[in-house]
Amino acid sequence: AQKVTQAQTEISVVEKEDVTLDCVYETRDTTYYLFWYKQPPSGELVFLIRRNSFDEQNEISGRYSWNFQKSTSSFNFTITASQVVDSAVYFCALSEEDSGAGSYQLTFGKGTKLSVIP
Amino acid sequence: EAQVTQNPRYLITVTGKKLTVTCSQNMNHEYMSWYRQDPGLGLRQIYYSMNVEVTDKGDVPEGYKVSRKEKRNFPLILESPSPNQTSLYFCASGSGATGTGELFFGEGSRLTVL
Repeated sequence: AQKVTQAQTEISVVEKEDVTLDCVYETRDTTYYLFWYKQPPSGELVFLIRRNSFDEQNEISGRYSWNFQKSTSSFNFTITASQVVDSAVYFCALSEEDSGAGSYQLTFGKGTKLSVIP
Repeated sequence: EAQVTQNPRYLITVTGKKLTVTCSQNMNHEYMSWYRQDPGLGLRQIYYSMNVEVTDKGDVPEGYKVSRKEKRNFPLILESPSPNQTSLYFCASGSGATGTGELFFGEGSRLTVL
């Protein structure tokens, strides 16, 4: 079973619309970390946010917001008033302890390609 | 400028010809990792390293080797490349010793094996 599921493979929205990217994760650890990364068409990977499992407070950064809900194992990402520059592939990722070895393995979802149409 | 540098950025090679993709970071990070990105599969971890001389297999280590002799460098070695290793490769480093922190990625190395 996938540890990180991004069910939306591709999404298209018209500029200024709001859009939510879904991320569902699976882990048995009580301590884990969740991330979102952005990969614009130029190809680089850009860190957006990191959340630890003990911090369920939602976060807002400008037009970006994240909704972390442990009860549903979800860490969804919303872009408000989308812009063309938001067009990218977005990856959700989970970092969990590697079999008690003290190191954490980072597992990425398959990504959601967002296209914002002008 | 803080960065992760990978070389080469683009490479076309032939089956069986050994190659090395270098990765260097200037942020004094303990954690480094290699990923490959394939269409429809996202990013999959190949190997990671928690510190000098400490390396571990990720999800898809077959056909790859790594070494971590210095903190700043983490080369990826393909001893005998095959066409199924054609992919986009990313090196990453992180400040969290156990891989829990933000990762900084290199610009990627696109490898084609004929």
